[in-house]
Amino acid sequence: QSALTQPPSVSGSPGQSVTISCTGTSSDVGSYNRVSWYQQPPGTAPKLMIYDVSNRPSGVPARFSGSKSGNTASLTISGLQAEDEADYYCSSYTSSTTYVFGTGTKVTVL
Amino acid sequence: QVQLQESGQGVVKPSETLSLTCTVSGGSISSYYWNWIRQPPGKGLEWIGYIYYTGTTNYNPSLKSRVTISVDTSKNQFSLKLSSVTAADTAVYYCARGYCSGDSCYSWFDYWGQGTLVTVSS
Repeated sequence: QSALTQPPSVSGSPGQSVTISCTGTSSDVGSYNRVSWYQQPPGTAPKLMIYDVSNRPSGVPARFSGSKSGNTASLTISGLQAEDEADYYCSSYTSSTTYVFGTGTKVTVL
Repeated sequence: QVQLQESGQGVVKPSETLSLTCTVSGGSISSYYWNWIRQPPGKGLEWIGYIYYTGTTNYNPSLKSRVTISVDTSKNQFSLKLSSVTAADTAVYYCARGYCSGDSCYSWFDYWGQGTLVTVSS
């Protein structure tokens, strides 16, 4: 199984919005609404931010939102804050009943 | 609050077997599925495999021939063995919980351990 494709980096100024794409195939992202997103600040473990494409766990700020169209899922951070600077990874369930992660995106707050 | 803690070898020689254990505290290992995920230095996350508390397993096809995940419900622990390691297996290894509710399990990892660095070196 190949890693899902994410842009290596995105950046924005405080208060702006940024969107991270996550492109898979019809065997993973395109076939299931089972995409999740994780935030990983440097030197720390990943933290769940979005599950099942667009749901936020308790405690995750509302400025984080998710969506999906076809084989591509997206994470949008609205009202970017300095604390949002981190690496972000998507993950999807696959038709082989396994999981695959994205290549990762570094978000920089300018 | 559920907590996961990885333990095991920090250095493994090439061609030998990597062994790690994840201890779950603050909750039961039953009724969930348990994952191993790794991250080579400076690189992205790679899912290794999972085990249900019942013992059912599933592995990443690229690692399947070398991976064994087991569970010990009496100790609230699950373990990873990766055989015939090479330098490419050097990584931070994380254990993570897969969420289940009732008879249904879902596709997200809600609790993670802090990770443990395993270096393959002679």
